[in-house]
Amino acid sequence: DAGVIQSPRHEVTEMGQEVTLRCKPISGHNSLFWYRQTMMRGLELLIYFNNNVPIDDSGMPEDRFSAKMPNASFSTLKIQPSEPRDSAVYFCASSNTGSSYNSPLHFGNGTRLTVT
Amino acid sequence: GNSVTQMEGPVTLSEEAFLTINCTYTATGYPSLFWYVQYPGEGLQLLLKATKADDKGSNKGFEATYRKETTSFHLEKGSVQVSDSAVYFCALSSHTGGFKTIFGAGTRLFVKA
Repeated sequence: DAGVIQSPRHEVTEMGQEVTLRCKPISGHNSLFWYRQTMMRGLELLIYFNNNVPIDDSGMPEDRFSAKMPNASFSTLKIQPSEPRDSAVYFCASSNTGSSYNSPLHFGNGTRLTVT
Repeated sequence: GNSVTQMEGPVTLSEEAFLTINCTYTATGYPSLFWYVQYPGEGLQLLLKATKADDKGSNKGFEATYRKETTSFHLEKGSVQVSDSAVYFCALSSHTGGFKTIFGAGTRLFVKA
């Protein structure tokens, strides 16, 4: 059973460029989460979807960040324009929540973004 | 709001030493509690969980007991190995928090041979 798949694993870009991060959740999972991890701020929830619908995007830092989930098997997180302070590891996670909050999260291996 | 506080690291132990990583939480309702582990270059993965008071989660020699009276979920292992070196995260989710999982800051563990 394939886990959560993220691409690319590493992304290096220049300030001002557009960055798109991709995620394929585990088949059958109905919730998808985007997290950002930095040394200073730890693990931050950016946005999460339930049944492809964005439920809470209060963690999205600015309008430069946007996320979509066009279908149950694919999601993107876009940063436009990117800035050096966006450098972090971005994780996608999925879960089969149903009506229960007990279901654990399954994380991908992350995308390490460096903005110069 | 819901929150998780765990002991700051790093924690450095010798192989076969006893491990405790403290975790306390604040939540309304009846949260589920989790420990996740992150190895270098990887995402977090579930280590163990407990869904109600007095439940004990266990996996790979690690244990944690859901203590509602002290709002704690401390992680323990009787004899650590070098391969246990990683970052450990305490987390909770609650029906009052929707489907969001709240994570602690993480505790880095180094185990020396």
